[in-house]
Amino acid sequence: EVQLVESGGGLVQPGGSMRLSCAVSGFTLSSSWMHWVRQVPGKGLVWVSRINTDGISTTYADSVKGRFTISRDNAKNTLYLQMNSLRAEDTAVYYCARDVKNNYYMDVWGKGTAVTVS
Amino acid sequence: QSALTQPASVSGSPGQSITISCTGTSSDVGSYNLVSWYQQHPGIAPKLMIYEVNERPSGVSNRFSGSKSGNTASLTISGLQAEDEADYYCSSYAGSSTCVFGGGTKLTVL
Repeated sequence: EVQLVESGGGLVQPGGSMRLSCAVSGFTLSSSWMHWVRQVPGKGLVWVSRINTDGISTTYADSVKGRFTISRDNAKNTLYLQMNSLRAEDTAVYYCARDVKNNYYMDVWGKGTAVTVS
Repeated sequence: QSALTQPASVSGSPGQSITISCTGTSSDVGSYNLVSWYQQHPGIAPKLMIYEVNERPSGVSNRFSGSKSGNTASLTISGLQAEDEADYYCSSYAGSSTCVFGGGTKLTVL
Protein backbone atom coordinates (compact mmCIF):
# COMPACT_ATOMS: atom_id res chain seq x y z
CA GLU A 1 0.00 0.00 0.00
CA VAL A 2 1.31 3.42 -0.94
CA GLN A 3 1.67 5.65 2.13
CA LEU A 4 2.98 9.10 2.85
CA VAL A 5 3.46 10.13 6.48
CA GLU A 6 4.37 13.69 7.38
CA SER A 7 6.05 14.68 10.62
CA GLY A 8 7.91 17.58 12.18
CA GLY A 9 5.07 20.04 12.62
CA GLY A 10 4.34 21.95 15.80
CA LEU A 11 4.58 25.39 17.33
CA VAL A 12 7.37 27.78 16.35
CA GLN A 13 7.95 31.47 16.97
CA PRO A 14 7.91 34.03 14.15
CA GLY A 15 11.33 34.16 12.54
CA GLY A 16 12.08 30.61 13.56
CA SER A 17 12.81 27.50 11.53
CA MET A 18 11.26 24.08 11.20
CA ARG A 19 11.92 21.02 9.06
CA LEU A 20 9.09 18.84 7.90
CA SER A 21 9.62 15.26 6.80
CA CYS A 22 7.52 12.97 4.64
CA ALA A 23 8.32 9.27 4.89
CA VAL A 24 7.04 7.23 1.99
CA SER A 25 6.41 3.52 1.63
CA GLY A 26 4.85 1.20 -0.89
CA PHE A 27 6.58 2.74 -3.90
CA THR A 28 10.02 3.82 -5.05
CA LEU A 29 10.46 7.46 -4.14
CA SER A 30 13.17 7.96 -6.76
CA SER A 31 10.67 7.48 -9.58
CA SER A 32 8.25 10.27 -8.64
CA TRP A 33 8.21 13.99 -8.40
CA MET A 34 6.90 15.20 -5.06
CA HIS A 35 5.03 18.28 -3.90
CA TRP A 36 4.24 20.12 -0.70
CA VAL A 37 0.79 21.71 -0.44
CA ARG A 38 -0.54 23.66 2.52
CA GLN A 39 -3.96 24.52 3.83
CA VAL A 40 -4.98 26.99 6.48
CA PRO A 41 -7.79 25.32 8.46
CA GLY A 42 -11.10 26.25 6.87
CA LYS A 43 -9.40 27.67 3.78
CA GLY A 44 -8.27 26.34 0.42
CA LEU A 45 -5.32 24.34 -0.80
CA VAL A 46 -2.18 26.24 -1.76
CA TRP A 47 0.69 24.73 -3.71
CA VAL A 48 4.02 25.32 -1.99
CA SER A 49 6.81 23.48 -3.78
CA ARG A 50 7.81 20.72 -6.20
CA ILE A 51 10.93 18.60 -6.59
CA ASN A 52 11.92 16.35 -9.45
CA THR A 53 13.10 12.77 -9.12
CA ASP A 54 16.79 13.41 -8.45
CA GLY A 55 16.29 16.60 -6.47
CA ILE A 56 18.13 18.79 -8.94
CA SER A 57 15.09 20.74 -10.09
CA THR A 58 12.98 22.52 -7.48
CA THR A 59 10.31 25.21 -7.73
CA TYR A 60 8.44 27.28 -5.18
CA ALA A 61 5.41 29.47 -4.76
CA ASP A 62 6.33 33.15 -4.65
CA SER A 63 5.10 33.34 -1.05
CA VAL A 64 7.81 30.96 0.20
CA LYS A 65 10.62 31.48 -2.33
CA GLY A 66 13.90 32.23 -0.59
CA ARG A 67 12.61 30.99 2.78
CA PHE A 68 11.64 27.35 2.14
CA THR A 69 13.79 24.59 0.68
CA ILE A 70 12.47 21.29 -0.61
CA SER A 71 14.79 18.31 -0.73
CA ARG A 72 14.70 14.55 -0.85
CA ASP A 73 16.75 11.54 0.21
CA ASN A 74 15.73 8.75 -2.12
CA ALA A 75 17.85 6.25 -0.23
CA LYS A 76 15.90 7.01 2.95
CA ASN A 77 12.56 7.27 1.10
CA THR A 78 12.02 10.67 2.66
CA LEU A 79 11.01 14.10 1.40
CA TYR A 80 11.81 17.25 3.36
CA LEU A 81 10.69 20.85 3.61
CA GLN A 82 13.05 23.18 5.44
CA MET A 83 11.17 26.30 6.48
CA ASN A 84 13.11 29.36 7.61
CA SER A 85 12.10 32.90 8.58
CA LEU A 86 8.64 31.64 9.42
CA ARG A 87 5.73 34.06 9.52
CA ALA A 88 2.28 33.89 11.06
CA GLU A 89 0.84 33.45 7.58
CA ASP A 90 2.77 30.19 7.19
CA THR A 91 0.48 28.65 9.80
CA ALA A 92 -1.25 25.75 8.05
CA VAL A 93 -1.51 22.02 7.66
CA TYR A 94 1.25 20.89 5.33
CA TYR A 95 0.65 17.93 3.05
CA CYS A 96 3.19 16.03 1.02
CA ALA A 97 1.89 14.51 -2.19
CA ARG A 98 3.17 12.19 -4.90
CA ASP A 99 3.18 13.17 -8.56
CA VAL A 100 3.55 9.69 -10.04
CA LYS A 101 3.48 10.71 -13.71
CA ASN A 102 5.67 13.76 -13.11
CA ASN A 103 2.91 15.80 -14.63
CA TYR A 104 1.80 18.34 -12.02
CA TYR A 105 -0.99 16.40 -10.41
CA MET A 106 -0.96 14.73 -7.00
CA ASP A 107 -2.18 11.16 -6.97
CA VAL A 108 -1.45 10.23 -3.35
CA TRP A 109 -1.48 12.51 -0.32
CA GLY A 110 -0.30 12.20 3.23
CA LYS A 111 -2.54 13.06 6.17
CA GLY A 112 -0.69 16.31 6.81
CA THR A 113 1.22 17.86 9.68
CA ALA A 114 0.13 21.08 11.38
CA VAL A 115 2.48 24.03 11.68
CA THR A 116 1.63 26.96 13.93
CA VAL A 117 3.73 30.12 13.86
CA SER A 118 2.97 32.17 16.93
CA GLN B 1 0.51 32.69 -9.25
CA SER B 2 -3.07 33.92 -8.77
CA ALA B 3 -5.54 31.30 -7.61
CA LEU B 4 -7.93 29.83 -10.14
CA THR B 5 -11.53 30.99 -9.72
CA GLN B 6 -14.17 28.57 -8.52
CA PRO B 7 -17.69 29.23 -7.24
CA ALA B 8 -17.76 29.20 -3.47
CA SER B 9 -20.63 26.75 -3.35
CA VAL B 10 -22.90 24.60 -5.47
CA SER B 11 -25.75 22.34 -4.52
CA GLY B 12 -27.92 19.65 -6.00
CA SER B 13 -30.39 16.96 -5.08
CA PRO B 14 -29.60 13.26 -5.09
CA GLY B 15 -29.64 11.88 -8.61
CA GLN B 16 -29.09 15.25 -10.24
CA SER B 17 -25.99 16.44 -12.06
CA ILE B 18 -23.90 19.43 -11.07
CA THR B 19 -20.98 21.19 -12.70
CA ILE B 20 -18.20 23.10 -10.96
CA SER B 21 -16.27 25.61 -13.02
CA CYS B 22 -12.63 26.55 -12.66
CA THR B 23 -11.51 29.68 -14.47
CA GLY B 24 -7.90 30.53 -15.05
CA THR B 25 -5.98 32.41 -17.68
CA SER B 26 -4.13 31.78 -20.91
CA SER B 27 -1.02 31.26 -18.75
CA ASP B 28 -2.39 28.23 -16.94
CA VAL B 29 -5.69 26.48 -17.71
CA GLY B 30 -5.86 27.84 -21.23
CA SER B 31 -2.38 26.75 -22.24
CA TYR B 32 -2.02 23.25 -20.82
CA ASN B 33 -4.12 20.11 -20.59
CA LEU B 34 -2.83 19.65 -17.06
CA VAL B 35 -5.92 20.39 -15.01
CA SER B 36 -6.72 18.14 -12.07
CA TRP B 37 -9.57 17.97 -9.57
CA TYR B 38 -9.51 16.94 -5.90
CA GLN B 39 -12.23 15.99 -3.45
CA GLN B 40 -11.76 16.77 0.23
CA HIS B 41 -14.03 15.69 3.04
CA PRO B 42 -13.72 17.55 6.36
CA GLY B 43 -10.58 16.69 8.26
CA ILE B 44 -9.30 14.33 5.57
CA ALA B 45 -6.55 14.73 3.00
CA PRO B 46 -7.56 15.57 -0.58
CA LYS B 47 -8.25 12.77 -3.04
CA LEU B 48 -7.46 12.94 -6.75
CA MET B 49 -10.64 12.63 -8.84
CA ILE B 50 -9.60 13.82 -12.32
CA TYR B 51 -6.23 14.46 -13.94
CA GLU B 52 -5.11 15.79 -17.31
CA VAL B 53 -8.49 17.49 -17.77
CA ASN B 54 -10.63 14.39 -18.21
CA GLU B 55 -8.79 11.28 -17.04
CA ARG B 56 -10.11 9.31 -14.06
CA PRO B 57 -7.77 7.45 -11.72
CA SER B 58 -8.51 3.82 -11.09
CA GLY B 59 -11.21 3.47 -8.46
CA VAL B 60 -12.92 6.81 -9.06
CA SER B 61 -16.55 6.52 -10.08
CA ASN B 62 -17.42 7.23 -13.71
CA ARG B 63 -20.02 9.66 -12.36
CA PHE B 64 -17.13 12.12 -12.21
CA SER B 65 -15.98 13.69 -15.46
CA GLY B 66 -13.88 16.65 -16.51
CA SER B 67 -13.67 18.96 -19.48
CA LYS B 68 -12.06 22.19 -20.58
CA SER B 69 -12.92 25.03 -22.91
CA GLY B 70 -10.56 27.92 -23.31
CA ASN B 71 -9.47 29.21 -19.93
CA THR B 72 -12.22 27.37 -18.03
CA ALA B 73 -12.19 23.79 -16.83
CA SER B 74 -15.21 22.00 -15.43
CA LEU B 75 -15.95 19.06 -13.17
CA THR B 76 -19.31 17.36 -13.64
CA ILE B 77 -20.78 14.94 -11.13
CA SER B 78 -23.74 12.98 -12.38
CA GLY B 79 -26.18 10.93 -10.33
CA LEU B 80 -25.35 12.97 -7.23
CA GLN B 81 -25.03 10.94 -4.04
CA ALA B 82 -24.90 11.97 -0.40
CA GLU B 83 -21.25 10.92 -0.11
CA ASP B 84 -20.31 13.38 -2.85
CA GLU B 85 -20.87 16.23 -0.39
CA ALA B 86 -17.37 17.66 0.07
CA ASP B 87 -15.06 20.46 -0.98
CA TYR B 88 -13.70 20.30 -4.52
CA TYR B 89 -10.52 21.94 -5.76
CA CYS B 90 -9.15 22.35 -9.25
CA SER B 91 -5.47 22.71 -9.99
CA SER B 92 -3.48 23.52 -13.10
CA TYR B 93 0.07 23.66 -14.28
CA ALA B 94 0.91 27.35 -14.40
CA GLY B 95 4.17 27.39 -16.33
CA SER B 96 7.74 27.66 -15.03
CA SER B 97 7.31 24.34 -13.22
CA THR B 98 4.67 25.71 -10.85
CA CYS B 99 1.11 24.76 -9.96
CA VAL B 100 -1.88 26.76 -8.88
CA PHE B 101 -5.05 25.67 -7.08
CA GLY B 102 -8.53 27.09 -7.20
CA GLY B 103 -10.14 28.55 -4.10
CA GLY B 104 -12.38 25.53 -3.65
CA THR B 105 -16.09 24.83 -4.02
CA LYS B 106 -18.31 23.42 -1.30
CA LEU B 107 -20.77 20.94 -2.73
CA THR B 108 -23.96 20.44 -0.75
CA VAL B 109 -26.23 17.51 -1.51
CA LEU B 110 -29.72 18.65 -0.57
